[in-house]
Amino acid sequence: GENVEQHPSTLSVQEGDSAVIKCTYSDSASNYFPWYKQELGKGPQLIIDIRSNVGEKKDQRIAVTLNKTAKHFSLHITETQPEDSAVYFCAAGDSWGKLQFGAGTQVVVTP
Amino acid sequence: GAVVSQHPSRVICKSGTSVKIECRSLDFQATTMFWYRQFPKQSLMLMATSNEGSKATYEQGVEKDKFLINHASLTLSTLTVTSAHPEDSSFYICSAEKTGSYYEQYFGPGTRLTVT
Repeated sequence: GENVEQHPSTLSVQEGDSAVIKCTYSDSASNYFPWYKQELGKGPQLIIDIRSNVGEKKDQRIAVTLNKTAKHFSLHITETQPEDSAVYFCAAGDSWGKLQFGAGTQVVVTP
Repeated sequence: GAVVSQHPSRVICKSGTSVKIECRSLDFQATTMFWYRQFPKQSLMLMATSNEGSKATYEQGVEKDKFLINHASLTLSTLTVTSAHPEDSSFYICSAEKTGSYYEQYFGPGTRLTVT
């Protein structure tokens, strides 16, 4: 089955700096790669996603890149703000729509 | 758009009783819904896939007789934890796949279950 690895597990950044989270996946058949933000005690919120026919996607301060050959994808957050502090999960989706999640990254943005 | 609700948000029950959790897609139809379990400081673990009008598909290791899933309409799926035990205490989260969206899943706010 699919295995998704996510790094780092924790990430501390100064407000205004950039944050990068990286994920690798094992199943070459995976074709959908969403990123979720989860705040304490809440459900995950879809923040951006990318499909296998696209290499990069950007939405304001958030961007995701995908390298299908190397089977890795990354989340980039620029100009970080304190409200970006949360746990971020990457996931890889198979042709049945099932998602395999990474272990999560705790992002702390300090003012 | 793409709002998913769960009810209740928190529930405390006694060991041996059953608890039902509802998951509703409020502004879209969802042929497929998923149920996850999340332990503190851990990732989401898929328990089962729920398809409207058919039986749920359970992940390996998940007891189908203990976690009963019903997906009776395009906007509602329910998870019933039967004969709950303290080890069933967890954060249960559902997601709904927007019909026609090609795998986009939107998550509910979660239900915190505590079994005493």
